[in-house]
Amino acid sequence: QKEVEQNSGPLSVPEGAIASLNCTYSDRGSQSFFWYRQYSGKSPELIMSIYSNGDKEDGRFTAQLNKASQYVSLLIRDSQPSDSATYLCAVNPMKNQGGKLIFGQGTELSVKP
Amino acid sequence: GAVVSQHPSRVICKSGTSVKIECRSLDFQATTMFWYRQFPKKSLMLMATSNEGSKATYEQGVEKDKFLINHASLTLSTLTVTSAHPEDSSFYICSAIAGEETQYFGPGTRLLVL
Repeated sequence: QKEVEQNSGPLSVPEGAIASLNCTYSDRGSQSFFWYRQYSGKSPELIMSIYSNGDKEDGRFTAQLNKASQYVSLLIRDSQPSDSATYLCAVNPMKNQGGKLIFGQGTELSVKP
Repeated sequence: GAVVSQHPSRVICKSGTSVKIECRSLDFQATTMFWYRQFPKKSLMLMATSNEGSKATYEQGVEKDKFLINHASLTLSTLTVTSAHPEDSSFYICSAIAGEETQYFGPGTRLLVL
């Protein structure tokens, strides 16, 4: 089992819809969780971080964390064609390990006009 | 957000030469930086963890004599690809930690070895 798993996609949604991106992780001791967006040919950029169970909202983005189920998700409301990118889930498996992250393989999102 | 720069953004070199890539944290001090490489359509592969004032920690399978890392100050880490070969052609990305162990990425360096 991979340490951080994501569906590779591509996930295709129409413009204006909600895009739901999912991620599971294997280390139950994981403390911090991150979502990055990577456009083709560019480096990753941070979208959200989440540390506690529940939801965290930032604009059109909502991160959801369920540590009991070892599951973290990212919802994108009112999806726009500019949201088309690969979304990387990253997990810090143990606190105080210098911030080293384990990345999923990424989910490619395509938002159709 | 924290800003990380990389230089150069793109480099083409001949096989056998060495290439140095710089990674700078512009508005914060970073005791830890990371170096990744990424092949097309693939995820990030961590190469090494760079700590200011100490030797880098390399991931399994990464040749430390091939990929020399120096973290001479709290704002600068360098990656030198020595005796580069075509198979070293890749997208190299650094990141630096700011705040609560959040990694911020540089824009990346695209290396092409002919």
